Amino acid sequence: GDSVTQMEGPVTLSEEAFLTINCTYTATGYPSLFWYVQYPGEGLQLLLKATKADDKGSNKGFEATYRKETTSFHLEKGSVQVSDSAVYFCALSPLGNQFYFGTGTSLTVIP
Amino acid sequence: ETGVTQSPTHLIKTRGQQVTLRCSSQSGHNTVSWYQQALGQGPQFIFQYYREEENGRGNFPPRFSGLQFPNYSSELNVNALELDDSALYLCASSPLPPQNYGYTFGSGTRLTVV
Repeated sequence: GDSVTQMEGPVTLSEEAFLTINCTYTATGYPSLFWYVQYPGEGLQLLLKATKADDKGSNKGFEATYRKETTSFHLEKGSVQVSDSAVYFCALSPLGNQFYFGTGTSLTVIP
Repeated sequence: ETGVTQSPTHLIKTRGQQVTLRCSSQSGHNTVSWYQQALGQGPQFIFQYYREEENGRGNFPPRFSGLQFPNYSSELNVNALELDDSALYLCASSPLPPQNYGYTFGSGTRLTVV
């Protein structure tokens, strides 16, 4: 069935370090892919998305490219800030209405 | 934009009781979905409503039910509460189709069953 596998955390980085959070998926057809971010005590916020192969989603310095050949959608940021500390969720939406989320990766950025 | 608002923010119920959670969708969004997020896990799809009809359901028993109203607000009802129902319940709205736009999530209702 459809599923998402995320890199396990927690991840701790120093400010201005490079971030990669790995995400791979299993799906039939051509799903859309998303990254969501969840700050403590809050709901999920859409960070970026890609709806077809080779699309690059980007927002707030974060990027992810939809790679169909490797079934991946890795999240990257060139220089993280303390304010990026949160839990990041990769999600996929096959044709239909259900989103499948990964288990989340906790990121802590230290000054 | 008012965003997605949920009420209440926290709730404590006893096993066997019934609970109703409420959600107001973001303006212009005609689709609403509910997700359950257990501690340390990703959200799990409960069901989705469009035009006041359920049009998709995840692997949840019938004691989880919902409603969508003409103004696109929604309710999640859970009967015969079990301890494992303790979780954060997230309401999410979207214009159709969600796979093109993504969801806008509310801040959730934290349900504790004792």
